[in-house]
Amino acid sequence: DGGITQSPKYLFRKEGQNVTLSCEQNLNHDAMYWYRQDPGQGLRLIYYSQIVNDFQKGDIAEGYSVSREKKESFPLTVTSAQKNPTAFYLCASSIVIDYEQYFGPGTRLTVT
Amino acid sequence: GENVEQHPSTLSVQEGDSAVIKCTYSDSASNYFPWYKQELGKGPQLIIDIRSNVGEKKDQRIAVTLNKTAKHFSLHITETQPEDSAVYFCAASNRDSNYQLIWGAGTKLIIKP
Repeated sequence: DGGITQSPKYLFRKEGQNVTLSCEQNLNHDAMYWYRQDPGQGLRLIYYSQIVNDFQKGDIAEGYSVSREKKESFPLTVTSAQKNPTAFYLCASSIVIDYEQYFGPGTRLTVT
Repeated sequence: GENVEQHPSTLSVQEGDSAVIKCTYSDSASNYFPWYKQELGKGPQLIIDIRSNVGEKKDQRIAVTLNKTAKHFSLHITETQPEDSAVYFCAASNRDSNYQLIWGAGTKLIIKP
């Protein structure tokens, strides 16, 4: 059963702590993406990766970091430098860039 | 850079009626326009997309139209059903932005029984 998994679904952290969100896909897609979604707003791109060992910043990369060591995995770290980290985070993948993006179920992060 | 505006932010229609959501974009180089549906607590799912070499595309009750001159594209849902209730997002991309999707703010579609 192919798809994208994100874990956990809900995540709670104290301010000042780094936290890593998991994203795994078994669709054999080359491209992967991280988006942030805030209430009443569209999705905003944090980072994307077109191929293993390569990634680029999106519009709101400050305070976030990623790695792409394996084709299947694209973890996102929300660092303590991110000023307003509480949000719904969505991971997506596509066979290559500029094709349909398939989304995971999302992780809701709450930082207090 | 590209900017996508989406209207209305909320749309309430009677079951069985049609719904139309409109998006405008600013970058004339944009050439890919997908529409996504997001149900509560889930990730968005592509429902239809169109590239700039065609003006209209249909898939059963869903259609998308593109007006490149006016730089707008619209989603049309006919014979709406309760399961169409969701938030719908439009997006646009082009080669100059390395094909990043620029998203509209979303439309909450409510189907009244």
